[in-house]
Amino acid sequence: QSALTQPPSASGSPGQSVTISCTGTSSDVGGYDYVSWYQHHPGKAPKLMIYEVNKRPSGVPDRFSGSKSGNTASLTVSGLQAEDEAEYYCSSYAGSNNVFGTGTQVTVL
Amino acid sequence: QVQLQESGPGLVRPSETLSLTCIVSHYSISKNYYWAWIRQPPGKGLEWIGTVYPGGSTYYSPSLRSRVTISVDTSKNQFSVKLRSVTAADTAVYYCAREDRNAFDYWGRGTLVTVSS
Repeated sequence: QSALTQPPSASGSPGQSVTISCTGTSSDVGGYDYVSWYQHHPGKAPKLMIYEVNKRPSGVPDRFSGSKSGNTASLTVSGLQAEDEAEYYCSSYAGSNNVFGTGTQVTVL
Repeated sequence: QVQLQESGPGLVRPSETLSLTCIVSHYSISKNYYWAWIRQPPGKGLEWIGTVYPGGSTYYSPSLRSRVTISVDTSKNQFSVKLRSVTAADTAVYYCAREDRNAFDYWGRGTLVTVSS
């Protein structure tokens, strides 16, 4: 099972938007609506930001949104804030397996 | 608030077995949910190791299936992972997490396990 492909980095100024892609195959991202996204600050536990493609857990700001088209899922962070600077990972169900993305470092300029 | 805490040796010798336990607080592990282990090697991304359902079902990463066992002890409200025949490539921060609808909603703080002689 290969890792899902994410761009290594993304950046934006405060207040701007940034979108991160997560590309898989029809056996994972494209085959199920079980894509989730995690925010990971160094030294801390990853935090669930989006589940089932576009649902936000309680407490996650609505600045975070998710979508999917074909074999590619996306996470958009609108109104960037300094605290959004972190590594972001996607994950997908892949039929009795789970697979993570390669990770994207988001920098707030 | 569900809490998870990993415990186990921070140093394991090559070829030996890595064993970690995740103690779950403020939630009964025997209720509906799956429980997972995930790791992050230094400088690399997250890797799913496997998932267990208290009813007994287990699901493992294809790349680790031959070496890993995940089990649950409902009497102690904890679950565990054993990874056999470890090498330096198994050095990582190991996380336990609760899995709900194929998303990991509660995580432990992680524990670093180093494989070295």
